[in-house]
Amino acid sequence: DAGITQSPRHKVTETGTPVTLRCHQTENHRYMYWYRQDPGHGLRLIHYSYGVKDTDKGEVSDGYSVSRSKTEDFLLTLESATSSQTSVYFCAISDKTGDTGELFFGEGSRLTVL
Amino acid sequence: KNQVEQSPQSLIILEGKNCTLQCNYTVSPFSNLRWYKQDTGRGPVSLTIMTFSENTKSNGRYTATLDADTKQSSLHITASQLSDSASYICVVSEHTGTALIFGKGTTLSVSS
Repeated sequence: DAGITQSPRHKVTETGTPVTLRCHQTENHRYMYWYRQDPGHGLRLIHYSYGVKDTDKGEVSDGYSVSRSKTEDFLLTLESATSSQTSVYFCAISDKTGDTGELFFGEGSRLTVL
Repeated sequence: KNQVEQSPQSLIILEGKNCTLQCNYTVSPFSNLRWYKQDTGRGPVSLTIMTFSENTKSNGRYTATLDADTKQSSLHITASQLSDSASYICVVSEHTGTALIFGKGTTLSVSS
């Protein structure tokens, strides 16, 4: 299994509070991604990183920010959580660009915003 | 609009039986097509990746086929086991960089 650790695995928070999810990898892969998974939808890309301090937006980036200060860590921050951000969040890593590289996923972080 | 449609939405089969899951896509330009297995409460795990020049790829009891002309793929599971109970996700890659288009998945339940 690819060395990907997401934390926390479960979190319940209240509307308006900030939340940070962490993704840590031990594979030294260049590319890291944050996805959300909701019933009735396929996985949707929030943000991705193609190197330290190099990030870009995905299709559902509103309300989220990311940071990557080290190769191994990719943080996803919800500045002010809303109920619509209740979801399961998956981190993924790849050693090549998205259209060619194989993606390895973490175990997911389940976030509930009350 | 680039889309990936999977069918059926859910499927129940008896242990030991075979089954086939379908994936139709409209993604263009096309780079590759992937099948993932996602167990309940876990992250997706890759089963196969096929480029446009490949029309079949196997991984144990899992065999994926691809018809790039009709933009259809199927995942065939042979001699199903209880551990095959999971969601199977079809993912198509655009040949433009990071864009992966995910299907909504087919939920397979294998009963004894």
